[in-house]
Amino acid sequence: AQSVSQHNHHVILSEAASLELGCNYSYGGTVNLFWYVQYPGQHLQLLLKYFSGDPLVKGIKGFEAEFIKSKFSFNLRKPSVQWSDTAEYFCAVRGTGGFKTIFGAGTRLFVKA
Amino acid sequence: EAEVAQSPRYKITEKSQAVAFWCDPISGHATLYWYRQILGQGPELLVQFQDESVVDDSQLPKDRFSAERLKGVDSTLKIQPAELGDSAMYLCASSSRIGPYEQYFGPGTRLTVT
Repeated sequence: AQSVSQHNHHVILSEAASLELGCNYSYGGTVNLFWYVQYPGQHLQLLLKYFSGDPLVKGIKGFEAEFIKSKFSFNLRKPSVQWSDTAEYFCAVRGTGGFKTIFGAGTRLFVKA
Repeated sequence: EAEVAQSPRYKITEKSQAVAFWCDPISGHATLYWYRQILGQGPELLVQFQDESVVDDSQLPKDRFSAERLKGVDSTLKIQPAELGDSAMYLCASSSRIGPYEQYFGPGTRLTVT
């Protein structure tokens, strides 16, 4: 069965610090991978996605993620966070052989100004 | 920009009462999803529609939950009777039928069962 693991439930950083949020998944076949973000008081929205091709994908607001197939990982990175990046971040995986998208438990990021 | 609409935004109901949530997806999106999100957890799929057909309802508690999307457009999720453990955020999302299936989420309905 598919599963998604996000290693950190809460992360606190100062502005300008670098960010890396871990995401590992369990699925035996080809996958589509996503990071969604939920800013305070807003809807869940797509941050970036991996469908095929270049395993390094760039999203909105300076975020990027790297798909490492051998490690079943899709970690989210940002070189320098801002206070406005305070949000909850969800990794999600969709196996291309099925219909369902599985979400991780989320990581709450708080950036201190 | 097109958005997924949900109503109501908040609902307080007593245990054993019936409650219903409505979702209107982005126009043209064939796939509609209902998720339940408990505080501190990620969204959990309850039911997924492709047009008017259910393609996954494996996690839907069918003894009390029902969902329909009669004309393949908007959808209703119903709980009858509601239980205390149903208190959660209920999210609706939609996506196109063509990959990579990124989902567009509505604002959710916050349900409190007392």
